[in-house]
Amino acid sequence: GENVEQHPSTLSVQEGDSAVIKCTYSDSASNYFPWYKQELGKRPQLIIDIRSNVGEKKDQRIAVTLNKTAKHFSLHITETQPEDSAVYFCAASEGSTLGRLYFGRGTQLTVWP
Amino acid sequence: DVKVTQSSRYLVKRTGEKVFLECVQDMDHENMFWYRQDPGLGLRLIYFSYDVKMKEKGDIPEGYSVSREKKERFSLILESASTNQTSMYLCATRNLPPDTQYFGPGTRLTVL
Repeated sequence: GENVEQHPSTLSVQEGDSAVIKCTYSDSASNYFPWYKQELGKRPQLIIDIRSNVGEKKDQRIAVTLNKTAKHFSLHITETQPEDSAVYFCAASEGSTLGRLYFGRGTQLTVWP
Repeated sequence: DVKVTQSSRYLVKRTGEKVFLECVQDMDHENMFWYRQDPGLGLRLIYFSYDVKMKEKGDIPEGYSVSREKKERFSLILESASTNQTSMYLCATRNLPPDTQYFGPGTRLTVL
């Protein structure tokens, strides 16, 4: 099955700096790559996703890039703010009807004011 | 607006008890999932279902079973709860890929 690795496990940045979280996957059939943000005590929520026919996608301060050849994708957060502090999960999925997402282990991002 | 609800936010049970966790969704989604979340271990898939009465084992199914008698409801069953099943349990739903997966609010289960 698919194996998703996520790095780093913890990341601390100063407010206003950029943060980058990287994930690799093993199954070349994977074609959908979402990112979830989980604030303390809350449920994970989708913040951005990318499909394999696209190399980059942006939404305001967040962007995701995908390199299918190297089988890796990354989350970029610019101009970080304290409210960006959370655990971020990457995931990968192939297109079967089973619909399973394979998650990375998560990155605890802390943004210091 | 997708709504995924779980029967309890907090639950305390004794070792050996049978425990039922319920998840209900109102979006007519085909796929439903049960995860457990522990510090440092991320989201681990226990079981999932892609249709009524259909189920598939995830990565850590031992000690758990599931039931999906109706499309909107997916139950996780701990036949004989043990202390190592103390955890946060998250339900999720998803329509046919590549649609978004939505999570429920979670149930924090403590087994004494």
